[in-house]
Amino acid sequence: GENVEQHPSTLSVQEGDSAVIKCTYSDSASNYFPWYKQELGKGPQLIIDIRSNVGEKKDQRIAVTLNKTAKHFSLHITETQPEDSAVYFCATKELSSGGSNYKLTFGKGTLLTVNP
Amino acid sequence: GAGVSQTPSNKVTEKGKYVELRCDPISGHTALYWYRQSLGQGPEFLIYFQGTGAADDSGLPNDRFFAVRPEGSVSTLKIQRTERGDSAVYLCASTVQGNGEQFFGPGTRLTVL
Repeated sequence: GENVEQHPSTLSVQEGDSAVIKCTYSDSASNYFPWYKQELGKGPQLIIDIRSNVGEKKDQRIAVTLNKTAKHFSLHITETQPEDSAVYFCATKELSSGGSNYKLTFGKGTLLTVNP
Repeated sequence: GAGVSQTPSNKVTEKGKYVELRCDPISGHTALYWYRQSLGQGPEFLIYFQGTGAADDSGLPNDRFFAVRPEGSVSTLKIQRTERGDSAVYLCASTVQGNGEQFFGPGTRLTVL
């Protein structure tokens, strides 16, 4: 099955700096790569996603890049703010052999701390 | 509108007891997922429903775990003979259809003493 590795496990930056989180995956069949933000006591919330036919996607201060050949994708947050502090998860989506399952496989998460 | 809701938010039980965890998906969402999140880990897939039927239950760790969705809306995750290793946050997510964005609930934190 799919294996998703995420680095770093913790990341501390100063307000206004950029933050980069990287993930690698093993299953070449994966074709959808979302990023989730999880605040304490809450469920994960989708912040941005990218599909395998696109190399880069940007939404205001957040961007994601994908390298399908190398099987890795990254989250970039610019001009970080204290409210960006949370745990961030990358994930991939794969189809089961029956072609009908859309389960997500998550990385272990990155605890981002933005210091004022 | 209302998001995915899960009850209870916290559940403390003793080893060997039976527990039920409930998920109310977003109205109209046909697909429903259960995930388990252990401390310091990402969510791990347990089971996926499309309508009333379990399309994939390959993530259930053993036969103590069972889930139902009898009317294609609310789902209940049932755990028999709980063990301390079952302690985790159990997350539910729903989508309009199987391949859509998954919206997560806040989770149920299960603690088995």
